[in-house]
Amino acid sequence: DAGVIQSPRHEVTEMGQEVTLRCKPISGHNSLFWYRQTMMRGLELLIYFNNNVPIDDSGMPEDRFSAKMPNASFSTLKIQPSEPRDSAVYFCASSLAHGLAGGETQYFGPGTRLLVL
Amino acid sequence: AQTVTQSQPEMSVQEAETVTLSCTYDTSESDYYLFWYKQPPSRQMILVIRQEAYKQQNATENRFSVNFQKAAKSFSLKISDSQLGDAAMYFCAYRDTGNQFYFGTGTSLTVIP
Repeated sequence: DAGVIQSPRHEVTEMGQEVTLRCKPISGHNSLFWYRQTMMRGLELLIYFNNNVPIDDSGMPEDRFSAKMPNASFSTLKIQPSEPRDSAVYFCASSLAHGLAGGETQYFGPGTRLLVL
Repeated sequence: AQTVTQSQPEMSVQEAETVTLSCTYDTSESDYYLFWYKQPPSRQMILVIRQEAYKQQNATENRFSVNFQKAAKSFSLKISDSQLGDAAMYFCAYRDTGNQFYFGTGTSLTVIP
């Protein structure tokens, strides 16, 4: 399996622009997570989906952030308008959730490094 | 809410020696899973080891092993025969019954040649 795929790997944009990050989870996984990592705040869970449905979006910073999962193999995280404080590494991760029966691990993508100037 | 605490922001170890990274967590659940992830400079998050709370036996993966103390809510990672490639940030993580993961703040491990 190719693992979790994220694109782009690097993104540099100007303040006020729209940014869209993409994620393809591991085939067969039914849970998808978006994280943000910064030096100041560490690893933060932004939102996670189970069977394409958002379960917990309490980590989404504000209305400028939105995430979608139109199908089991694709998710997007959009920032509009972007601000310099959004600069971070954004990770997507997926897992197979069967309650506790499987205890499945989260598998992380390589991350997208976002720099907002 | 579950919390995961890693009290050692930085650790160092001599190559070929053993080092233990600490992790404690807070939960009211009885069934859960615990994980250690490694994040090298490439930023990729790599699973190192996992532990099921209902298992008393400590998990082991080659040079990596855990000391799981359920009553104390402690989950430390032991790295034996440390190698230069072990240098990375290590994150402890807790998975609850709702499949949500909680991560600690990480421990940066330096391996000294």
